[in-house]
Amino acid sequence: AQSVAQPEDQVNVAEGNPLTVKCTYSVSGNPYLFWYVQYPNRGLQFLLKYITGDNLVKGSYGFEAEFNKSQTSFHLKKPSALVSDSALYFCAVRDKSGAGSYQLTFGKGTKLSVIP
Amino acid sequence: DTGVSQDPRHKITKRGQNVTFRCDPISEHNRLYWYRQTLGQGPEFLTYFQNEAQLEKSRLLSDRFSAERPKGSFSTLEIQRTEQGDSAMYLCASSLRGPPPDTQYFGPGTRLTVL
Repeated sequence: AQSVAQPEDQVNVAEGNPLTVKCTYSVSGNPYLFWYVQYPNRGLQFLLKYITGDNLVKGSYGFEAEFNKSQTSFHLKKPSALVSDSALYFCAVRDKSGAGSYQLTFGKGTKLSVIP
Repeated sequence: DTGVSQDPRHKITKRGQNVTFRCDPISEHNRLYWYRQTLGQGPEFLTYFQNEAQLEKSRLLSDRFSAERPKGSFSTLEIQRTEQGDSAMYLCASSLRGPPPDTQYFGPGTRLTVL
């Protein structure tokens, strides 16, 4: 079975400061990892994904994520937060050895609030 | 690229009624997924199609739920004899088969309220 934990329900950060949204995962094999963002009354928008190789993945809107296999983590980061980054962020995992299963397993989400 | 579209965006129904939702994937995307999202939770996988074949179903997809993708293009999700516990956001996503992993692109969702 695969699972994702986002330990913080809410993260508050001042505009211009760096932000981190935490994610840890559990899979039986090796993971594919994803970050999505959800704005109110809208669907999920894809930010970035980790496949293999370089542990630092760069994505949309200046976001990046760092894969750490030993800590089974995939934290989302941005060097300088914008007020417009305020939204709900979801981490998701898919087991590479999922024998044909394409389902994503999502965390509960972390609400990011960027304070002007 | 017009994105994934879903119709209706909102549906209010009485318990016991049947409802049907439609999803139009990004054109040429051959994979289509349905998820359900309840308040305060992340999306939960319901089912997956490759072209017209339904290849994967979650245990969440009870007998009251049925999904189809008859011509490998749009998909419908029907819920029969709705219950209050079915109230949720129903999300559709699509992806293009290629080097794994596919990136799933989501639609805006259909919010179902069962009274």
